Amino acid sequence: AQRVTQPEKLLSVFKGAPVELKCNYSYSGSPELFWYVQYSRQRLQLLLRHISRESIKGFTADLNKGETSFHLKKPFAQEEDSAMYYCALNRGASGGSYIPTFGRGTSLIVHP
Amino acid sequence: DVKVTQSSRYLVKRTGEKVFLECVQDMDHENMFWYRQDPGLGLRLIYFSYDVKMKEKGDIPEGYSVSREKKERFSLILESASTNQTSMYLCASKTTGYTEAFFGQGTRLTVV
Repeated sequence: AQRVTQPEKLLSVFKGAPVELKCNYSYSGSPELFWYVQYSRQRLQLLLRHISRESIKGFTADLNKGETSFHLKKPFAQEEDSAMYYCALNRGASGGSYIPTFGRGTSLIVHP
Repeated sequence: DVKVTQSSRYLVKRTGEKVFLECVQDMDHENMFWYRQDPGLGLRLIYFSYDVKMKEKGDIPEGYSVSREKKERFSLILESASTNQTSMYLCASKTTGYTEAFFGQGTRLTVV
């Protein structure tokens, strides 16, 4: 089965501390992986995707095919990073489509 | 800028009512999705559509149906609302292929 696992429901850190949100996946083939973020009272939006290999708001994520992981990292957390984070992969479906399939999410709280 | 708009932010309905949730996107995306978002359960796919009049069941389709008569509009229908359908409903759209999804602002449905 094609699946995304986020083992932590909640991650609580202090401002300035490093952050790592874990994501593991199972997928046959080459996965396309994403991190989405939902700030309070805002819509869910893309944070970054593995194929871009970019840093967004100080966050990076590296695809590790050997460990089937795509962990999200930031060296110094900020209070404005407090949000719900979802790891997702696109799985193949009918009509040549790809369906975003999400993990259960990790709530990140950054304390002052 | 991609816009996905859901017709209502909040809805309160009575048990047994027929409920329509509407979603419109303005970027000519082929694929549209309805998800249900519940704490601790993440986003679960209810239905998706990869073309006009084409629809496929997702992971939790029971109690729901959908309609896609025009490319830009995807409707979710609760035939007979029940209290266990109280939830946040998210609509999303994307192009075909390995691309990210764009989300609406969500509809918080309460069934009493």
